[in-house]
Amino acid sequence: DIQMTQSPSTLSSSIGDRVTITCRASQSISSWLAWYQQKPGKAPNLLIYKASSLQSGVPSRFSGSGSGTEFTLTISSLQPDDFATYFCHQYQSYPYTFGQGTKLEIK
Amino acid sequence: EVHLVESGGDLVQPGGSLRLSCAASAFTFSTYWMTWVRQAPGKGLDWVASITPAGSDKYYVDSVRGRFTISRDNPTNSLYLQMNNLRVDDTAVYYCARVAPLGSGYVIDYWGQGTLVTVSS
Repeated sequence: DIQMTQSPSTLSSSIGDRVTITCRASQSISSWLAWYQQKPGKAPNLLIYKASSLQSGVPSRFSGSGSGTEFTLTISSLQPDDFATYFCHQYQSYPYTFGQGTKLEIK
Repeated sequence: EVHLVESGGDLVQPGGSLRLSCAASAFTFSTYWMTWVRQAPGKGLDWVASITPAGSDKYYVDSVRGRFTISRDNPTNSLYLQMNNLRVDDTAVYYCARVAPLGSGYVIDYWGQGTLVTVSS
């Protein structure tokens, strides 16, 4: 199975900050990586697919990069609505797997 | 807007069975792969199973293979997850999700709100 490891697990930041979350795959997944945002009690929301493609309707302050085993999600200027948990997800091969999540908190 | 509504979650004893349902609307259900993903309380996301548009091929995570069965009924836009021999570690919110062709790959793009399955004596 492909293991997905996110860092950090928790991130404290302020409105307007630029933040970066990292996801590492245990083997190459090419660009078959997605990022999701999840708020408490809600379903995940797709932000980025194929490592760097912005899902329709997602604000442009979100961006993704990387390929192979190293990926990043960047939020260019944090907004109040962005405080949530973020998951990376590989869909290169079964079993599909997710990172353990990064909780983004208000400093 | 794509709409997915799960139902069937309940409290069940270890060894028991449950059938989850997912009602889909606002898209052509019969042309999409569908998937179940679960999330244990306070934990991350775990892929459970996926099914092809015609229902002819099914894929499972090892921990549920032989106990869970994913199925679909395209005329009624419904997805199912039959769960047998349930274990305490199957306790989770179960999400029904659509898999869409994006960027030459297939990725989960819409999720339902989830249904809670609790396995406890």
